[in-house]
Amino acid sequence: DTGVSQDPRHKITKRGQNVTFRCDPISEHNRLYWYRQTLGQGPEFLTYFQNEAQLEKSRLLSDRFSAERPKGSFSTLEIQRTEQGDSAMYLCASSLALNSGNTIYFGEGSWLTVV
Amino acid sequence: AQSVSQHNHHVILSEAASLELGCNYSYGGTVNLFWYVQYPGQHLQLLLKYFSGDPLVKGIKGFEAEFIKSKFSFNLRKPSVQWSDTAEYFCAVTAYNNNDMRFGAGTRLTVKP
Repeated sequence: DTGVSQDPRHKITKRGQNVTFRCDPISEHNRLYWYRQTLGQGPEFLTYFQNEAQLEKSRLLSDRFSAERPKGSFSTLEIQRTEQGDSAMYLCASSLALNSGNTIYFGEGSWLTVV
Repeated sequence: AQSVSQHNHHVILSEAASLELGCNYSYGGTVNLFWYVQYPGQHLQLLLKYFSGDPLVKGIKGFEAEFIKSKFSFNLRKPSVQWSDTAEYFCAVTAYNNNDMRFGAGTRLTVKP
């Protein structure tokens, strides 16, 4: 499978613990995105990388959230001191340049449940 | 920043009925528009997209959408739905000079057999 892959698919954690999600984008894509989706809502933009540079961050991304893409390939999203409100699906996506008619491709997401 | 509104939260249709899901965006400049579908337990999949040219865009599975610039709309249509079209549908927009995609809240479509 050469699509966007995310790991783990499901994570249950206790409030206050740290969690990390990994995303492997489509190999030739230089752009990588993180979104959050809660039940009954559309995906909400969190952050975006072009190669290894993090170019944009949403105000939804509090200081407990950090994302990296150290070599411009895979990315990690870490949530520190998790809260129950962090329970959501975290979606990763990748693309080539958007203004050239390219499409954003999404992974299957990582479900986080904070208990 | 651009934003998207989907007015129908939940639509229930019988098989063979026609479908139209509304999508309006707010952004004054050039936009790219998308419809994604999310079947139960699956990831978001692209149905169709508009970048330029013919404002009537045809996608997979018999779906089409029409970009009406004066109304800031990009409604999704299908002449005859099937039970397998039961899913959540998301409209999304990217502004030409931005690099993030903004989604509407989604419309849940239930097709009764």
